[in-house]
Amino acid sequence: DVKVTQSSRYLVKRTGEKVFLECVQDMDHENMFWYRQDPGLGLRLIYFSYDVKMKEKGDIPEGYSVSREKKERFSLILESASTNQTSMYLCASSGVGDRGYQPQHFGDGTRLSIL
Amino acid sequence: DQQVKQNSPSLSVQEGRISILNCDYTNSMFDYFLWYKKYPAEGPTFLISISSIKDKNEDGRFTVFLNKSAKHLSLHIVPSQPGDSAVYFCAASTYNNNDMRFGAGTRLTVKP
Repeated sequence: DVKVTQSSRYLVKRTGEKVFLECVQDMDHENMFWYRQDPGLGLRLIYFSYDVKMKEKGDIPEGYSVSREKKERFSLILESASTNQTSMYLCASSGVGDRGYQPQHFGDGTRLSIL
Repeated sequence: DQQVKQNSPSLSVQEGRISILNCDYTNSMFDYFLWYKKYPAEGPTFLISISSIKDKNEDGRFTVFLNKSAKHLSLHIVPSQPGDSAVYFCAASTYNNNDMRFGAGTRLTVKP
């Protein structure tokens, strides 16, 4: 079974703080993703990475950055947290398509509140 | 620009009956369509997928139908069980997974 682990289930931070969200997967997946989930909007892609040190912007990258120094770990960084970044953050991973299509597998999410 | 739409925010069905969840998409370049199930305080769990070259895929009680000409897919759950109560997300993806789009979700309630 694929295991995607997010370091915190709940997090409360203050406006202006630098916030780190960590994600680790144990299936040697090449692709890793960060989404945020907001009511009525579904999941929106912030950034994804298809290899170590590689990253691509998703639909809503503003105010965020990412780091992938090791294949199994993908970090999301809020450079200066703002109240509109209060949300549920979901990490996902997937293998590449040479083994057939592989769906994304998700962690349990981090509910982040910015005060 | 919502490329994947789930127009019903909620659905309520009786245990043992059929649940039908609907999804529409706009981009004909998608290669795969997926359904994820999400319980509160958990991440989405992959449920079933269908390739764009097929029109039906079945896995136990779950069947996904794809109508490419109408850009529409649906998830059928037969028979519905109380444990199926969750939020269901429809998603569409290119083959390399780098551009997956999600709908807003439909909350399914199955009443005993």
